[in-house]
Amino acid sequence: GAGVSQSPSNKVTEKGKDVELRCDPISGHTALYWYRQRLGQGLEFLIYFQGNSAPDKSGLPSDRFSAERTGESVSTLTIQRTQQEDSAVYLCASSESSGRTSDTQYFGPGTRLTVL
Amino acid sequence: AQSVTQLDSQVPVFEEAPVELRCNYSSSVSVYLFWYVQYPNQGLQLLLKYLSGSTLVESINGFEAEFNKSQTSFHLRKPSVHISDTAEYFCAVSTIQGAQKLVFGQGTRLTINP
Repeated sequence: GAGVSQSPSNKVTEKGKDVELRCDPISGHTALYWYRQRLGQGLEFLIYFQGNSAPDKSGLPSDRFSAERTGESVSTLTIQRTQQEDSAVYLCASSESSGRTSDTQYFGPGTRLTVL
Repeated sequence: AQSVTQLDSQVPVFEEAPVELRCNYSSSVSVYLFWYVQYPNQGLQLLLKYLSGSTLVESINGFEAEFNKSQTSFHLRKPSVHISDTAEYFCAVSTIQGAQKLVFGQGTRLTINP
């Protein structure tokens, strides 16, 4: 079946502009995660959605970052007033999770964001 | 809080040679352990994971990892590598209870030379 998809695959923007990144999880997956991977570094957790529960936003680096999810479907990550340090690959993952931290997460191909 | 350290950022080996990719973690609570792999131009995918039971876990393509609680390690090994194993490998942990997220190491780039 279809995997996790993300769009756009690449985004170049100017400092100060807002950007929206989209994630389509695997159908039926109730859990959705956003991670960020800066050049030469590991993945950093940003936010987690599980069903209709309040999202875990503990990884968002500043109030310029926000994310929404429509039911158990599409999610958008919005970065307002982008800064050069926001340049990274933004990865989305989904899992079948019903609250189990052992569940395998399935990753999308990522969106490479470059802030000039 | 949890942290993961992958001591080697790059590991070059010759084809058919053995390889070990090191991973150490720090956590005050029990964790699950994962290895994810990212092949060139592909997304991350799960290679193997340790949840409980036998401390040695294996993947379908010949990799294995052993959970060592006393040394807080989860090193990844393969006795004979192939060109197709060229990829970046990420070690990760999640807590058994609590926050539903993975904490990743910085990754190890495995390069196989013919």
